[in-house]
Amino acid sequence: DIQMTQSPSSLSASVGDRVTITCRASQNIAGYLNWYLQKPGKAPKLLIYSTSSLQSGVPSRFSGSGYGTDFTLTINSLQPDDFATYYCHQGFTTPRTFGQGTRVDLK
Amino acid sequence: QVQLQQWGAGLLKPSETLSLTCAVFGGSFSGYYWSWIRQTPGKGLEWIGEINQSGNTNYNPSLKSRVTMSLDTSKNQFSLKLSSVTAADAAVYYCARGGVYYPSIWGQGTVVTVSS
Repeated sequence: DIQMTQSPSSLSASVGDRVTITCRASQNIAGYLNWYLQKPGKAPKLLIYSTSSLQSGVPSRFSGSGYGTDFTLTINSLQPDDFATYYCHQGFTTPRTFGQGTRVDLK
Repeated sequence: QVQLQQWGAGLLKPSETLSLTCAVFGGSFSGYYWSWIRQTPGKGLEWIGEINQSGNTNYNPSLKSRVTMSLDTSKNQFSLKLSSVTAADAAVYYCARGGVYYPSIWGQGTVVTVSS
């Protein structure tokens, strides 16, 4: 199985901050990397697919980059609604796998 | 707006079969991949498997011997069965619709508890 490792596991930030979360795959997954946001008690919500494509309705302050094994999710100007847990996910091969999550909370 | 609504038994005894169904409202059933994913505090998000509109399946090897996924296109529903459950199968189970590479729309989740 491809292991997805996110860093950091958690971070504290303020509204307006720029936040960067990284995801590393244990082997080359080309650009098949997706990002999800999850709030407590809710299902994950797709933010970005195929590394950098913004899902419909997702604000443009979210962006993604990377290729191969190293990927980044950036949130420009963090908003109150963005405090949540973020997961990366590889769709390159089965079994599909997720990172362990990065919790973003209020400093 | 497309919504997925899922249901099934939430309390099982060890060795029983978990059975969940997910229905699609407000959107097409064809041309997508339909997934089941579960989440636990300890293991995080775990992909169980997927089925496409042709009924072709991919299962997580760790669960493959116990998993069956199926479609009912006449009802716009798809289902998950997981046999011989143990406490390790207790989780929140999600259904999801998406392309082959990523689930894009998720159901609300079903909490499954396994207890004798």
